[in-house]
Amino acid sequence: DGGITQSPKYLFRKEGQNVTLSCEQNLNHDAMYWYRQDPGQGLRLIYYSQIVNDFQKGDIAEGYSVSREKKESFPLTVTSAQKNPTAFYLCASSTSGGPISTDTQYFGPGTRLTVL
Amino acid sequence: DQQVKQNSPSLSVQEGRISILNCDYTNSMFDYFLWYKKYPAEGPTFLISISSIKDKNEDGRFTVFLNKSAKHLSLHIVPSQPGDSAVYFCAASGRGSARQLTFGSGTQLTVLP
Repeated sequence: DGGITQSPKYLFRKEGQNVTLSCEQNLNHDAMYWYRQDPGQGLRLIYYSQIVNDFQKGDIAEGYSVSREKKESFPLTVTSAQKNPTAFYLCASSTSGGPISTDTQYFGPGTRLTVL
Repeated sequence: DQQVKQNSPSLSVQEGRISILNCDYTNSMFDYFLWYKKYPAEGPTFLISISSIKDKNEDGRFTVFLNKSAKHLSLHIVPSQPGDSAVYFCAASGRGSARQLTFGSGTQLTVLP
Protein backbone atom coordinates (compact mmCIF):
# COMPACT_ATOMS: atom_id res chain seq x y z
CA ASP A 1 0.00 0.00 0.00
CA GLY A 2 1.40 3.38 -1.02
CA GLY A 3 1.07 6.23 1.41
CA ILE A 4 2.51 8.56 3.99
CA THR A 5 3.15 7.43 7.54
CA GLN A 6 3.79 9.58 10.55
CA SER A 7 4.90 8.35 13.92
CA PRO A 8 4.10 8.47 16.70
CA LYS A 9 0.42 9.46 16.61
CA TYR A 10 0.66 11.06 20.06
CA LEU A 11 3.81 12.51 21.59
CA PHE A 12 4.42 14.11 24.96
CA ARG A 13 7.45 16.20 25.69
CA LYS A 14 8.75 18.02 28.70
CA GLU A 15 9.43 21.69 28.30
CA GLY A 16 13.03 22.33 27.20
CA GLN A 17 13.45 19.03 25.34
CA ASN A 18 13.94 18.58 21.63
CA VAL A 19 11.73 16.01 19.90
CA THR A 20 11.78 14.53 16.40
CA LEU A 21 8.65 13.64 14.43
CA SER A 22 8.93 11.00 11.74
CA CYS A 23 7.48 11.20 8.22
CA GLU A 24 7.98 8.48 5.62
CA GLN A 25 6.45 8.11 2.16
CA ASN A 26 6.61 5.28 -0.37
CA LEU A 27 4.87 7.19 -3.16
CA ASN A 28 8.16 8.05 -4.89
CA HIS A 29 7.29 11.74 -4.45
CA ASP A 30 10.06 14.31 -4.81
CA ALA A 31 8.53 17.03 -2.65
CA MET A 32 7.69 16.82 1.05
CA TYR A 33 6.18 19.34 3.45
CA TRP A 34 5.57 19.93 7.15
CA TYR A 35 2.52 21.83 8.40
CA ARG A 36 1.23 22.74 11.80
CA GLN A 37 -2.45 23.02 12.71
CA ASP A 38 -3.73 24.86 15.78
CA PRO A 39 -7.36 24.74 16.98
CA GLY A 40 -9.69 26.80 14.79
CA GLN A 41 -6.95 27.61 12.32
CA GLY A 42 -5.83 26.44 8.94
CA LEU A 43 -2.59 24.64 8.22
CA ARG A 44 0.60 26.70 8.29
CA LEU A 45 3.74 25.67 6.43
CA ILE A 46 6.84 25.03 8.55
CA TYR A 47 9.37 23.62 6.06
CA TYR A 48 9.34 22.05 2.64
CA SER A 49 11.76 20.10 0.50
CA GLN A 50 11.56 19.86 -3.28
CA ILE A 51 14.39 17.39 -3.62
CA VAL A 52 16.79 15.29 -1.55
CA ASN A 53 19.41 17.28 0.39
CA ASP A 54 17.53 20.54 -0.13
CA PHE A 55 14.87 22.21 2.00
CA GLN A 56 13.40 25.68 2.45
CA LYS A 57 11.77 27.55 5.32
CA GLY A 58 8.04 28.04 5.25
CA ASP A 59 6.01 30.70 7.02
CA ILE A 60 6.70 29.57 10.61
CA ALA A 61 10.12 27.86 10.60
CA GLU A 62 11.47 29.40 13.81
CA GLY A 63 12.17 26.77 16.46
CA TYR A 64 12.06 23.89 13.97
CA SER A 65 14.66 22.02 11.94
CA VAL A 66 14.47 19.36 9.21
CA SER A 67 16.68 17.10 7.15
CA ARG A 68 16.16 15.35 3.82
CA GLU A 69 18.87 12.73 3.45
CA LYS A 70 16.60 10.22 1.71
CA LYS A 71 13.78 10.73 -0.76
CA GLU A 72 11.38 8.75 1.42
CA SER A 73 12.03 10.51 4.71
CA PHE A 74 11.58 14.08 6.00
CA PRO A 75 11.90 14.19 9.81
CA LEU A 76 10.97 17.34 11.72
CA THR A 77 12.71 18.33 14.96
CA VAL A 78 10.84 20.59 17.33
CA THR A 79 13.50 22.33 19.37
CA SER A 80 13.31 23.94 22.79
CA ALA A 81 13.43 27.31 20.98
CA GLN A 82 9.86 26.79 19.69
CA LYS A 83 7.74 28.83 22.07
CA ASN A 84 4.36 27.15 21.48
CA PRO A 85 5.09 23.61 20.32
CA THR A 86 1.80 22.01 21.36
CA ALA A 87 -0.08 21.42 18.09
CA PHE A 88 -1.11 18.87 15.48
CA TYR A 89 1.70 18.31 12.97
CA LEU A 90 0.99 17.14 9.44
CA CYS A 91 3.41 15.88 6.83
CA ALA A 92 2.54 15.94 3.11
CA SER A 93 4.15 14.98 -0.17
CA SER A 94 3.62 15.67 -3.85
CA THR A 95 5.10 14.38 -7.08
CA SER A 96 7.08 17.56 -7.52
CA GLY A 97 7.19 20.95 -5.90
CA GLY A 98 8.59 23.26 -8.54
CA PRO A 99 7.20 26.69 -9.35
CA ILE A 100 5.06 25.46 -12.25
CA SER A 101 3.80 22.33 -10.59
CA THR A 102 0.16 21.93 -9.72
CA ASP A 103 0.65 18.52 -8.23
CA THR A 104 -1.69 17.72 -5.41
CA GLN A 105 -0.26 17.38 -1.92
CA TYR A 106 -1.25 14.25 -0.05
CA PHE A 107 -1.19 14.18 3.73
CA GLY A 108 -0.19 11.72 6.41
CA PRO A 109 -2.37 10.99 9.48
CA GLY A 110 -0.61 13.55 11.70
CA THR A 111 1.16 13.62 15.07
CA ARG A 112 -0.35 15.33 18.08
CA LEU A 113 2.48 16.88 20.14
CA THR A 114 1.78 17.99 23.69
CA VAL A 115 4.34 19.81 25.79
CA LEU A 116 3.88 19.24 29.50
CA ASP B 1 -2.97 39.05 6.77
CA GLN B 2 -5.06 36.04 5.74
CA GLN B 3 -4.72 35.48 2.02
CA VAL B 4 -7.32 32.69 1.98
CA LYS B 5 -10.48 33.18 4.02
CA GLN B 6 -13.32 30.89 4.92
CA ASN B 7 -15.70 33.21 6.70
CA SER B 8 -18.16 30.58 7.87
CA PRO B 9 -16.69 28.45 10.67
CA SER B 10 -19.66 26.09 10.55
CA LEU B 11 -22.54 25.01 8.32
CA SER B 12 -25.45 22.63 8.98
CA VAL B 13 -27.40 21.04 6.14
CA GLN B 14 -30.15 18.46 5.94
CA GLU B 15 -29.28 15.12 4.35
CA GLY B 16 -30.09 15.08 0.63
CA ARG B 17 -29.86 18.86 0.28
CA ILE B 18 -27.04 20.90 -1.25
CA SER B 19 -24.06 22.03 0.84
CA ILE B 20 -22.27 25.16 -0.34
CA LEU B 21 -18.93 26.03 1.21
CA ASN B 22 -17.33 29.35 0.34
CA CYS B 23 -13.78 30.62 0.14
CA ASP B 24 -12.33 34.03 -0.72
CA TYR B 25 -8.76 34.91 -1.58
CA THR B 26 -6.82 38.14 -1.90
CA ASN B 27 -3.60 37.18 -3.70
CA SER B 28 -4.02 37.66 -7.46
CA MET B 29 -1.00 35.40 -8.04
CA PHE B 30 -2.98 32.34 -6.92
CA ASP B 31 -3.82 30.19 -9.92
CA TYR B 32 -4.56 26.77 -8.48
CA PHE B 33 -7.13 25.96 -5.84
CA LEU B 34 -7.90 22.83 -3.87
CA TRP B 35 -10.45 21.57 -1.38
CA TYR B 36 -9.53 19.14 1.37
CA LYS B 37 -11.76 17.28 3.82
CA LYS B 38 -10.53 16.55 7.32
CA TYR B 39 -11.79 14.39 10.16
CA PRO B 40 -10.58 15.02 13.74
CA ALA B 41 -7.09 13.68 14.51
CA GLU B 42 -6.54 12.67 10.87
CA GLY B 43 -4.70 14.19 7.93
CA PRO B 44 -6.65 16.13 5.29
CA THR B 45 -7.91 14.16 2.30
CA PHE B 46 -7.80 15.74 -1.14
CA LEU B 47 -11.26 16.24 -2.65
CA ILE B 48 -11.12 18.32 -5.79
CA SER B 49 -9.07 21.06 -7.43
CA ILE B 50 -9.45 23.73 -10.09
CA SER B 51 -7.01 25.68 -12.20
CA SER B 52 -7.56 29.37 -12.88
CA ILE B 53 -8.06 28.65 -16.57
CA LYS B 54 -11.39 27.01 -15.67
CA ASP B 55 -14.45 28.26 -13.86
CA LYS B 56 -15.93 24.88 -12.95
CA ASN B 57 -14.73 21.39 -12.16
CA GLU B 58 -16.95 18.47 -11.29
CA ASP B 59 -16.24 15.10 -9.71
CA GLY B 60 -19.26 13.03 -8.76
CA ARG B 61 -21.21 14.80 -6.02
CA PHE B 62 -18.55 17.52 -5.70
CA THR B 63 -18.35 20.62 -7.90
CA VAL B 64 -16.00 23.54 -7.44
CA PHE B 65 -16.78 26.93 -8.97
CA LEU B 66 -14.20 29.67 -9.44
CA ASN B 67 -15.03 33.35 -9.95
CA LYS B 68 -11.70 35.01 -10.66
CA SER B 69 -13.04 38.55 -10.88
CA ALA B 70 -14.54 38.22 -7.41
CA LYS B 71 -11.60 36.15 -6.12
CA HIS B 72 -14.12 33.65 -4.83
CA LEU B 73 -14.54 29.92 -5.02
CA SER B 74 -17.16 27.58 -3.72
CA LEU B 75 -17.58 23.86 -3.20
CA HIS B 76 -21.00 22.35 -3.84
CA ILE B 77 -21.90 18.92 -2.48
CA VAL B 78 -25.06 17.40 -3.93
CA PRO B 79 -26.72 15.47 -2.42
CA SER B 80 -25.20 15.88 1.05
CA GLN B 81 -24.74 12.72 3.11
CA PRO B 82 -24.06 12.27 6.85
CA GLY B 83 -20.60 10.89 5.98
CA ASP B 84 -19.76 14.29 4.50
CA SER B 85 -19.70 15.77 8.00
CA ALA B 86 -16.12 17.00 8.47
CA VAL B 87 -14.01 20.15 8.34
CA TYR B 88 -13.44 21.41 4.81
CA PHE B 89 -10.33 23.43 3.99
CA CYS B 90 -9.84 25.60 0.96
CA ALA B 91 -6.21 25.98 -0.21
CA ALA B 92 -4.49 27.99 -2.92
CA SER B 93 -1.12 28.14 -4.59
CA GLY B 94 0.43 30.52 -7.06
CA ARG B 95 3.13 31.13 -9.63
CA GLY B 96 6.49 32.37 -8.47
CA SER B 97 6.57 30.25 -5.36
CA ALA B 98 7.45 26.63 -4.81
CA ARG B 99 3.79 25.81 -5.01
CA GLN B 100 3.33 26.31 -1.31
CA LEU B 101 -0.26 25.88 -0.29
CA THR B 102 -1.98 28.64 1.67
CA PHE B 103 -4.92 27.29 3.65
CA GLY B 104 -8.12 28.86 4.90
CA SER B 105 -9.20 28.30 8.49
CA GLY B 106 -11.77 25.65 7.58
CA THR B 107 -15.55 25.21 7.72
CA GLN B 108 -17.14 22.51 9.88
CA LEU B 109 -19.92 20.90 7.83
CA THR B 110 -22.58 18.93 9.68
CA VAL B 111 -25.06 16.95 7.62
CA LEU B 112 -28.14 16.14 9.64
CA PRO B 113 -29.98 12.85 9.00
